[in-house]
Amino acid sequence: EAGVAQSPRYKIIEKRQSVAFWCNPISGHATLYWYQQILGQGPKLLIQFQNNGVVDDSQLPKDRFSAERLKGVDSTLKIQPAKLEDSAVYLCASSWGDRGLEQYFGPGTRLTVT
Amino acid sequence: AQTVTQSQPEMSVQEAETVTLSCTYDTSESDYYLFWYKQPPSRQMILVIRQEAYKQQNATENRFSVNFQKAAKSFSLKISDSQLGDAAMYFCAYRRDDKIIFGKGTRLHILP
Repeated sequence: EAGVAQSPRYKIIEKRQSVAFWCNPISGHATLYWYQQILGQGPKLLIQFQNNGVVDDSQLPKDRFSAERLKGVDSTLKIQPAKLEDSAVYLCASSWGDRGLEQYFGPGTRLTVT
Repeated sequence: AQTVTQSQPEMSVQEAETVTLSCTYDTSESDYYLFWYKQPPSRQMILVIRQEAYKQQNATENRFSVNFQKAAKSFSLKISDSQLGDAAMYFCAYRRDDKIIFGKGTRLHILP
């Protein structure tokens, strides 16, 4: 079974630039999550999709972050414009149902904003 | 609001020995799930073990077991016969309904 795929693995941008991350969940997983993991901290949930609908985006900085999940499969997370404090690892995870008893994580994208 | 606290930023253990990682959490709910995740340098988070709060029996997975003390809101992870491959960041996590909260993690070093 293929795991959660993410790209790119690394990205370096200057502040005020825009960036986009892509995630392909495990086939058949209805729920998809985006997390932000700042160095030295645990992952923080940014947004959760159930199929292509948003379940929770309460911690997503909506003035600069946006996410979509077209057709309930792949998802993209965008930051525009980026700030220095956005430097982090962005993790994508997926699970069978909305209770997410077991989430399967991708390898993450390490973003550095200079 | 729910919180998850891991009070040990780093720990070391000799290979083949046993180590226990601590986790406490705060919640007013009675039905929830607790998890331990492992994050090696490759960054891929891997589920180590899961505990349902309504189950009194402590979960075990091979060399990994938990000590779940619901009244004390404590959820520690014991790793027996530590191996070099166990070196990683370990995160404790709490989940109820749509909310999942991770602790700050404990970095575990395995000494050969």
